[in-house]
Amino acid sequence: GAGVSQSPSNKVTEKGKDVELRCDPISGHTALYWYRQSLGQGLEFLIYFQGNSAPDKSGLPSDRFSAERTGGSVSTLTIQRTQQEDSAVYLCASSLRPPSGLAGNTIYFGEGSWLTVV
Amino acid sequence: AQTVTQSQPEMSVQEAETVTLSCTYDTSESDYYLFWYKQPPSRQMILVIRQEAYKQQNATENRFSVNFQKAAKSFSLKISDSQLGDAAMYFCAYRSARGSNFGNEKLTFGTGTRLTIIP
Repeated sequence: GAGVSQSPSNKVTEKGKDVELRCDPISGHTALYWYRQSLGQGLEFLIYFQGNSAPDKSGLPSDRFSAERTGGSVSTLTIQRTQQEDSAVYLCASSLRPPSGLAGNTIYFGEGSWLTVV
Repeated sequence: AQTVTQSQPEMSVQEAETVTLSCTYDTSESDYYLFWYKQPPSRQMILVIRQEAYKQQNATENRFSVNFQKAAKSFSLKISDSQLGDAAMYFCAYRSARGSNFGNEKLTFGTGTRLTIIP
């Protein structure tokens, strides 16, 4: 597609339920990122996928969080047994594989999935 | 690890005036990329301007320009002729230019500056 697409746009879930958030990156982009933005805060890195390499999971806050990327394209971020502190906007982004100059290193974001845990 | 600091949580400017948002960063690397992103209430992070560290010339994009001072590790954003549509959160971000084997792929963000435009 023309841009990074995320779904759902908004999700309200009950504490303890599992949720799945989906990201469809820009066509041809091999790098995919998940970030979390809590209300009024900056962006917190969660996980990074690059081609067939092992993902960088260093930002995942707990083992309740996991992500996969099937076929090198679409990614799903799963949060198990959601807690109220998981409420945030989850932003997905993609880029070309570096090193590929400034254009390749520019990361483009989707509109985010706003998760509310009640 | 790299860090990005935005020391101005909030700024305001009169419409049509000029405003400068500050950003400093800390890195031991010599080659990297710097970005300014804008996040309006719609939440989407929109790329405003970008700069390659090895280029001394400051990047410009229409009313937006940067003052990149590599030695001082400073990357400020100047918005000229401010417009109501410029109101948003502005985030400064850093990305290493090293290859994927070094695990430095992610963008590191500052905490943001909320810009208000006064009509």
